[in-house]
Amino acid sequence: DADVTQTPRNRITKTGKRIMLECSQTKGHDRMYWYRQDPGLGLQLIYYSFDVKDINKGEISDGYSVSRQAQAKFSLSLESAIPNQTALYFCATSDWARQSSGNTIYFGEGSWLTVV
Amino acid sequence: DAKTTQPNSMESNEEEPVHLPCNHSTISGTDYIHWYRQLPSQGPEYVIHGLTSNVNNRMASLAIAEDRKSSTLILHRATLRDAAVYYCILREYFGNEKLTFGTGTRLTIIP
Repeated sequence: DADVTQTPRNRITKTGKRIMLECSQTKGHDRMYWYRQDPGLGLQLIYYSFDVKDINKGEISDGYSVSRQAQAKFSLSLESAIPNQTALYFCATSDWARQSSGNTIYFGEGSWLTVV
Repeated sequence: DAKTTQPNSMESNEEEPVHLPCNHSTISGTDYIHWYRQLPSQGPEYVIHGLTSNVNNRMASLAIAEDRKSSTLILHRATLRDAAVYYCILREYFGNEKLTFGTGTRLTIIP
């Protein structure tokens, strides 16, 4: 089983609909992130959370919201989806408490979202 | 956040060494240099990281300039499976960094 699991893996939705992408992790990490990747481009940070009570905006948070329901769960919502939000979305986790691990970032497999 | 600069793309022949450069002239003393790679249709994966000294692991080597303003990821013997986008990022030691990724370097391996 993957350490970082994203659901759904693929979704087509209509303009104006609300869509939620969910992420869960089994690594016990405190930090979680949501990134967006447009075809052929790099990763852009949408939101990040250092613990359950700490949520921060990233580079491109407009049009998105997040919820950290528990240490292991971090969901991303598009309240009213628009076509230019069509992209590949990645959830990631990191643990700064364990220096010996090299503070590695672990990514999920991605969720393809198409807004028509 | 300190930024990194990488070439957009590079090509290398299979079974030859590859040197992927990264400039980070605004690096601070507490920033670690991390490298990740993203294979097609996958999420990024960790490759290697370092602070001041050169580092080696089973995947690659990391050479860090003495002034730490640049670094080079070295793949000693490239294979077709190394074709990916390679990202160089800076991470604060226990900092509240945002973990911002640039566009990376797209590495093409020529058979």
